[in-house]
Amino acid sequence: SAVISQKPSRDICQRGTSLTIQCQVDSQVTMMFWYRQQPGQSLTLIATANQGSEATYESGFVIDKFPISRPNLTFSTLTVSNMSPEDSSIYLCSVTEGTGSYNEQFFGPGTRLTVL
Amino acid sequence: AQKVTQAQTEISVVEKEDVTLDCVYETRDTTYYLFWYKQPPSGELVFLIRRNSFDEQNEISGRYSWNFQKSTSSFNFTITASQVVDSAVYFCALSERYSSNTGKLIFGQGTTLQVKP
Repeated sequence: SAVISQKPSRDICQRGTSLTIQCQVDSQVTMMFWYRQQPGQSLTLIATANQGSEATYESGFVIDKFPISRPNLTFSTLTVSNMSPEDSSIYLCSVTEGTGSYNEQFFGPGTRLTVL
Repeated sequence: AQKVTQAQTEISVVEKEDVTLDCVYETRDTTYYLFWYKQPPSGELVFLIRRNSFDEQNEISGRYSWNFQKSTSSFNFTITASQVVDSAVYFCALSERYSSNTGKLIFGQGTTLQVKP
């Protein structure tokens, strides 16, 4: 399975600032995804990041708030802009791997963000 | 609309007890995929199993077993002889055919399992 790393693993930030989270995969993958997990909650897909095209955002998430980059097939970044305490969450990068009718989906270790 | 329900918010058992985590799903698609993930206190999501909608065979992997029943739209997860290391949040998730290549998983709210020594 793909090995996924994220930086930073955790951070504490002041409101109004921005944080960029990096996701690195040890193999080339077509699709990368960003999920958010608010405290005590389940996971929600923020957006899908494909190399060479703009990210596709889910309902309730916008590019101005969560800009995403995907410069190559092994790397992506998610920026949380103009942060507020409500942005305190775990942000997880995910990739699909495999061929056939369905790809397996694996998650990175997550970035634990606290906004004061 | 698709939905995953894990009615059990928290379960507490004593080590060596068997425990079943319930998962009920809703989907209009005839082809879909069901998953279980484990999230230990460290926060990472660990993939446990994927099941296709057209494969109703139950599966056993060591102390873990899964019971998939399309008739009741359930995909329950049983841990036999639980251990303290099984303590974690467990998520059931659904992916429909149209989103199978987009990576969109619909997660349940999770069940927190505490195994006491």
